[in-house]
Amino acid sequence: AQSVTQLDSQVPVFEEAPVELRCNYSSSVSVYLFWYVQYPNQGLQLLLKYLSGSTLVKGINGFEAEFNKSQTSFHLRKPSVHISDTAEYFCAVSDTGAGNMLTFGGGTRLMVKP
Amino acid sequence: EAQVTQNPRYLITVTGKKLTVTCSQNMNHEYMSWYRQDPGLGLRQIYYSMNVEVTDKGDVPEGYKVSRKEKRNFPLILESPSPNQTSLYFCASSFGSSGANVLTFGAGSRLTVL
Repeated sequence: AQSVTQLDSQVPVFEEAPVELRCNYSSSVSVYLFWYVQYPNQGLQLLLKYLSGSTLVKGINGFEAEFNKSQTSFHLRKPSVHISDTAEYFCAVSDTGAGNMLTFGGGTRLMVKP
Repeated sequence: EAQVTQNPRYLITVTGKKLTVTCSQNMNHEYMSWYRQDPGLGLRQIYYSMNVEVTDKGDVPEGYKVSRKEKRNFPLILESPSPNQTSLYFCASSFGSSGANVLTFGAGSRLTVL
């Protein structure tokens, strides 16, 4: 069984400041890692994913995440946020076996202030 | 446009009145899934289907039923809704059932059970 912990339920930040959204997971097997974003009144859409290879993954809208196997973390970062980045962000994990059973974290609400 | 369509988007009902939330995808995806989203809990999987006539329970299946008679449709049925099923529901689909596949989400259905 897997679990995902997003350490911050809300992150307020000023526009153009850097941001890091933290995600830790636990699993007894190898995993794939994802970040999804949910804009107000919309469904979730993929921001980025780690399947294998380079541990630094770049996604859409200037976001990136780094997979750290020893710390079982997959933190999301952006060097300079915009008002339009205000949304809820979900970290998710699935194991590398068959079955698309995504386990989601509780979500982090990013609030970008002018 | 490739999409997952859910209906209704908003519904208020009363305890015990059967309802169905429809989900349809136009991408010829094999895998479909239902999630519920509750504050602080992230998304939890209710049921999933790896192909036509193949369905299985997720993490929180109690009180729900599904069917997959056609590849494109995956309705969620609440036979006797209760207030603890008040939630935001998402249908999602992907090309295959491997954990590496990216899910495409519908816009969500907000259900209130009085």
